[in-house]
Amino acid sequence: EVQLVESGGGLVQPGGSLRLSCTTSGFTFSTYEMNWVRQAPGKGLESVAYISNSGSAIYYADSVRGRFTISRDNAKNSLSLQMNRLRVEDTAVYYCAREGFLFDAFDMWGQGTLVTVSS
Amino acid sequence: SYVLSQPPSVSVAPGKTARITCGGNNFGSKSIHWYQQKPGLAPLLVVYEDSDRPSGIPKRFSGSKSGNTATLTISRVEAGDEADYFCQLWDSTLDHPYVFGTGTKVTVL
Repeated sequence: EVQLVESGGGLVQPGGSLRLSCTTSGFTFSTYEMNWVRQAPGKGLESVAYISNSGSAIYYADSVRGRFTISRDNAKNSLSLQMNRLRVEDTAVYYCAREGFLFDAFDMWGQGTLVTVSS
Repeated sequence: SYVLSQPPSVSVAPGKTARITCGGNNFGSKSIHWYQQKPGLAPLLVVYEDSDRPSGIPKRFSGSKSGNTATLTISRVEAGDEADYFCQLWDSTLDHPYVFGTGTKVTVL
């Protein structure tokens, strides 16, 4: 069974840092491209970071570029998102999402982890 | 920035057909994908590459695209179809190529 489990969310003050992790199982992690997608309370979906299967290609949304860093460890089947200089508007549920093997849709999602940025 | 526009809400009676549109610019050969999201849960892929269904998704869910409008059609709507629906595409010309639609709340009357 394919599983993606996020962890690391919580309450942090503006300007602070947080590191999210996504532990995966049930598939060959090293062959899949991965994304972090977030959803602010009551709002829509936003892809914030992408990483290729080897880690050689990375994209960021304008809203997080320069503050967030996506990385992966294929030996440990895990994905990470280092979030620095957090802002109130970064408050959201963060999902780890797998990109389909032959298409650019997200075919598997984790349950999400809530990040709250507030003083 | 690229915008995919969806109607905020669609209401439909049980057993009827719901149609959700997704409009953008220059769809061309870009593929449109659709997600269903129920309250408190992660999104679920229901249609990919305009009209294909992942395994386990009922045939009642179908997708189509014409020009710069994509449509998700839900036939014989059931109470369990009440959810938010989002379209999404990948555009290589963008700095960050993943774009989601604004979302549509489907209410089953």
